[in-house]
Amino acid sequence: NAGVTQTPKFQVLKTGQSMTLQCAQDMNHEYMSWYRQDPGMGLRLIHYSVGAGITDQGEVPNGYNVSRSTTEDFPLRLLSAAPSQTSVYFCASGYLRPGKRSNYGYTFGSGTRLTVV
Amino acid sequence: KQEVTQIPAALSVPEGENLVLNCSFTDSAIYNLQWFRQDPGKGLTSLLLIQSSQREQTSGRLNASLDKSSGRSTLYIAASQPGDSATYLCAFANTGTASKLTFGTGTRLQVTL
Repeated sequence: NAGVTQTPKFQVLKTGQSMTLQCAQDMNHEYMSWYRQDPGMGLRLIHYSVGAGITDQGEVPNGYNVSRSTTEDFPLRLLSAAPSQTSVYFCASGYLRPGKRSNYGYTFGSGTRLTVV
Repeated sequence: KQEVTQIPAALSVPEGENLVLNCSFTDSAIYNLQWFRQDPGKGLTSLLLIQSSQREQTSGRLNASLDKSSGRSTLYIAASQPGDSATYLCAFANTGTASKLTFGTGTRLQVTL
């Protein structure tokens, strides 16, 4: 089924370790973004991309890196994990040109639950 | 900066009731508004999307409206069912920053038998 695929679903890291959260979409969406969800804080934007080769920072970018070499993939890298990065991470892709495409709007992946100890 | 508030934070209703979830926002330069549903431990499922030029959208028992002048959106759920129990989130994309969504903190709905 078409959609947004995130891997892994769960991950435990030690403080200082690095890792990459993977995100792939097969809907040819131009927009992709990463959010983190924390209790009482809602979803907050980390980084986003408006197309291959173009990325920008969101509300909470510190400690994270992204790149977008293809339309399909948008990995999120944690450079040196900290306990404050314990969260649930969601990747989203979107098509935002009004028209007849049935998948107009944003589609979210199922999330990665990350614990940093 | 767009500020989004959802009231109430939690709601419990008996099965069969019609209910309204509220979402208020501060910046009326809306590109679009999307309502999502999130089940515990799961991702977000898109329910309805309203473009800036529209006032409402309907899908089955759900109806969402957008009133930019009052800074308010509502999600109406008709004849609620236990399967509707979830957290409902509204999210806005603003003109000029359509690639970025600003979320409310959600309304947790429980529909009881």
